[in-house]
Amino acid sequence: SQTIHQWPATLVQPVGSPLSLECTVEGTSNPNLYWYRQAAGRGLQLLFYSVGIGQISSEVPQNLSASRPQDRQFILSSKKLLLSDSGFYLCACSAGGQQETQYFGPGTRLLVL
Amino acid sequence: DQQVKQNSPSLSVQEGRISILNCDYTNSMFDYFLWYKKYPAEGPTFLISISSIKDKNEDGRFTVFLNKSAKHLSLHIVPSQPGDSAVYFCAASERSGGSNYKLTFGKGTLLTVNP
Repeated sequence: SQTIHQWPATLVQPVGSPLSLECTVEGTSNPNLYWYRQAAGRGLQLLFYSVGIGQISSEVPQNLSASRPQDRQFILSSKKLLLSDSGFYLCACSAGGQQETQYFGPGTRLLVL
Repeated sequence: DQQVKQNSPSLSVQEGRISILNCDYTNSMFDYFLWYKKYPAEGPTFLISISSIKDKNEDGRFTVFLNKSAKHLSLHIVPSQPGDSAVYFCAASERSGGSNYKLTFGKGTLLTVNP
């Protein structure tokens, strides 16, 4: 079964600073990869998904971007953070014959001050 | 427009009793439904799922029921244990081109199981 790693676990950044969050997946190949954000007291909002290297689809217009430089690596970035970017960021993957089910990483808590 | 709704933000039950978590959806294109459990500051853990061609799926203490005509699903946990205390998210899946499936999540229900 797949294992999803995310780092850092926690991050405090000033407004206007850049951001790079990394997600790597083990135990599977050619996964679909996803970035979600959970804002305080809210559900999970899909930000980006990728079905292959270099293929990124954005779900909502925002201050963030995503990249997939390798099959099992997914990166979430920003050039200049906003206060509203604070939240809990989750990477997920689905793979194999069960693409409908997504498995989540441990998450990164981002606080923008 | 919220396509997946969990109308109860919280639920409290006694240990050993049944917990019933409810979820409603509006999009007829959803064809697969999932329940996730989430502890604070952790990622959601997949619990159980059901295809739209079924009306029940059982896995140990967890059973999911689907009523397609009512666009309603529920998660039953029996018997409930204190370790079940967590936020439970309902999610619905629809195909989004090729092999990709998009999940839409409800806002979650906080379950508290009292000893």
